[in-house]
Amino acid sequence: AQRVTQPEKLLSVFKGAPVELKCNYSYSGSPELFWYVQYSRQRLQLLLRHISRESIKGFTADLNKGETSFHLKKPFAQEEDSAMYYCALYLSYGQNFVFGPGTRLSVLP
Amino acid sequence: DGGITQSPKYLFRKEGQNVTLSCEQNLNHDAMYWYRQDPGQGLRLIYYSQIVNDFQKGDIAEGYSVSREKKESFPLTVTSAQKNPTAFYLCASSSFGTKPLQPQHFGDGTRLSIL
Repeated sequence: AQRVTQPEKLLSVFKGAPVELKCNYSYSGSPELFWYVQYSRQRLQLLLRHISRESIKGFTADLNKGETSFHLKKPFAQEEDSAMYYCALYLSYGQNFVFGPGTRLSVLP
Repeated sequence: DGGITQSPKYLFRKEGQNVTLSCEQNLNHDAMYWYRQDPGQGLRLIYYSQIVNDFQKGDIAEGYSVSREKKESFPLTVTSAQKNPTAFYLCASSSFGTKPLQPQHFGDGTRLSIL
């Protein structure tokens, strides 16, 4: 069955340290993957998607089909990065999305 | 400000009562979705609709019902058959059938509690 896993429920790092939020998926088709972020008291919003190959707010994510991973990385974490992060996979056959359980990132001063 | 509007923000349900959560969008999106968000479980899909007058069950549809009479609206009814309705409910919308695939836009959510 298709699914998305995010092994860390909570990740704490100090300001300026590198951060990596892990995401693994299982899917038989060609994956389309997204990272969504939910800041405190804000609605869930798109952070980035793998096909764009862009850096948003200093974050990047590379799709690794061999390892079935789509980890989110940032070289120097900032306090404003503290939020809940969700990895999501688009299911082309059902034409809907499946989300991982989320990782709460806490960037300490 | 265009986007998705969910109402109410907070809702309380009595035993045996059906309640309806509203979701309206002005983004001209074809597809709309309802998710349930519980701590540690992420977002789980309840129902989704890709066109008017059509919808499909998601992973946890039991105890819920929806309608899609208008493109802009996708209300969710939590019925008395849903034994554990206390949760945060998120509505989302997206364009459908576009290339490249467009991401979802989310509402602010409705928190449902049992009295």
